Formats: sequence, structure tokens, C-alpha cells
Amino acid sequence: DTGVSQDPRHKITKRGQNVTFRCDPISEHNRLYWYRQTLGQGPEFLTYFQNEAQLEKSRLLSDRFSAERPKGSFSTLEIQRTEQGDSAMYLCAALESILYGYTFGSGTRLTVV
Amino acid sequence: AQTVTQSQPEMSVQEAETVTLSCTYDTSESDYYLFWYKQPPSRQMILVIRQEAYKQQNATENRFSVNFQKAAKSFSLKISDSQLGDAAMYFCAYRSGTGNQFYFGTGTSLTVIP
Repeated sequence: DTGVSQDPRHKITKRGQNVTFRCDPISEHNRLYWYRQTLGQGPEFLTYFQNEAQLEKSRLLSDRFSAERPKGSFSTLEIQRTEQGDSAMYLCAALESILYGYTFGSGTRLTVV
Repeated sequence: AQTVTQSQPEMSVQEAETVTLSCTYDTSESDYYLFWYKQPPSRQMILVIRQEAYKQQNATENRFSVNFQKAAKSFSLKISDSQLGDAAMYFCAYRSGTGNQFYFGTGTSLTVIP
């Protein structure tokens, strides 16, 4: 089983609604990342946490997006006032090591209708 | 920002044959890492193989090997004795030795024909 759990697996929401996704690394990982993957594209970086501190945010992360990692364990990604362009797979990843790269979660597939 | 290019959106291979997936990248850095990730349909991405830029020797993991050409900024993946379970989307990824994020290519969809 993957070392990163994401919930929910799928989410369908109406445009304008708020949604929240959760990411749980099974074992302790200092660094946790959120990526977005649209159809036919590779994952694109959104933001990353070192423990509970959000250290970097992509320009893709508009002010409708907010991410937290309150205790340095699980993380949440909230999208407010969803738009159809937000439809994508949202991937969470924990960094195993610089050498070995990420462990990815299964992702949350968001569909905005 | 670094860019990673995968010029083959789709590839197919006969079962038990060998296939090579291409990847090129653009960077001015000397210290970096390169990865190939596999994403089966509706399943999570998993690491296939990695290469440190400072190593001249090409990485190998069982049936998977890379051809790392640092001067040409090329990092291709060779899959030998292809199996049905190899069918997936394959992503090439770059990480700076000092940076915090990975840069991914657009992926190559591999079909394995029985």
C-alpha cells in the first residue's frame, strides 16, 4: 500500500462550491507536497510544507486555494469558489529522500460541473 | 525554470520486446537528479528508476535501465522483456540538487501488446 493516503478519491462539485481534500502520510515525512495534474499533462507543483511550515507556493496557487499542515502530519488543500478550470487530479506526495524522490498518494480527482 | 520534454505522447511494444522512452531536459545546473515515474491507470505514481547527475554510470533496476547523456541533456528509459503490467503512463522528472520541487514531463503512454 502507498505510504500516502488521500481522501476522497473522487469529488464532484458544482461550480462556486468549496471543496477540501486531505492527505495523510502513513509514516513521518518532514516534507509534503501538493501537485495538480490535468489531463494529458504531468504533475505541476502547487505548494510544499516542511513540517507545519508552508515554505513555497506556486503561482498556480491562486488566492482561492489554501493549504495547511497544522501539526506537521496530515495536510489539507481547500479550494474556494471552485471553477471548471479547477477540474484535475490533485496529488499529494511525501519526499522519501532527495535521492529516492517522492511517494505519491493515489490522488483526488476533482470534477467541477 | 527547468523544463522536461517527452516527445513521444504514445508508444507501443510487443510483449517480451524492448522499448525506449525519450526524455530531454533543460538546465544550467550541474547538480541534479533525474527520475522516471510510472502511473498505471487509476493508480498512484511509483518510482521506476533514478539517476544522479554526478554519476556517469547509467542506472539499472532489473528490466529497467536508463541512457543518461549529460552533455546532450538526455535521459531515456529502456524497458527490456516488456510485460503486460508495464502498460502505464511514464513520466520523466527533474529535481535540482538544491531545489524543492520536481519538474515533470507531459508523459508517454505505453501500451504493451500481447
